[in-house]
Amino acid sequence: SFVLTQPPSVSVAPGETATITCEEDSLGGRSVHWYQQKPGQAPVLVIYYDNDRPSGIPERFSGSNSGNRATLIISRVEAGDEADYYCQMWLGTSDHYVFGTGTKVTVL
Amino acid sequence: QVQLQESGPGLVKPSETLSLTCTVSGDSISNYYWSWIRQPAAKGLECIGRIYSSGSTDYSPSFKSRVIMSIDTSKNQFSLHLRSVTAADTAVYFCARLGDERTFDYWGRGTLVTVSS
Repeated sequence: SFVLTQPPSVSVAPGETATITCEEDSLGGRSVHWYQQKPGQAPVLVIYYDNDRPSGIPERFSGSNSGNRATLIISRVEAGDEADYYCQMWLGTSDHYVFGTGTKVTVL
Repeated sequence: QVQLQESGPGLVKPSETLSLTCTVSGDSISNYYWSWIRQPAAKGLECIGRIYSSGSTDYSPSFKSRVIMSIDTSKNQFSLHLRSVTAADTAVYFCARLGDERTFDYWGRGTLVTVSS
């Protein structure tokens, strides 16, 4: 089955850069989207189509996708960035939306 | 601004049917796909399926045998019915809009459904 694997946790100091990966052997060529979820809240789309930002999302959020790995990069991390982050992909069939295993970002 | 709000019972008995409704405001429900996604406590996100404004549905293979989604464009609402629930169906259920068929651009706040006798 298709599993998008993310590291369970990432810790980063304020002002530093957080890097979150999303891997799958069959990832190549498919677009990846990223969501931020704070405790008790709904997920928020922060990156779509690998590296596009929705309106209102800071430029500190960026993404890349190459080979079997997609990456979410949060530059100049702030305390408010502490959250769970999920990658997501559409497999191209009508019934397959897959989310990654999720990464908890802790701001030290 | 598009807003989604889930509603329905917070407690369902095992073997019964879980039914939720999502009310959309701020935009028409027409010409979009709409989806239900759930999240068990301390776990990740799982898509149950999607429905188009025409009523066409697509369900995740994990749920296909016991899920029905419906839509009422006159009320700007869509619904989820999940049959034969067990404790494993206990989760926060979110409704969401598929902005371009591939990404979930608007979400409801989620509603906790507990399956217990």
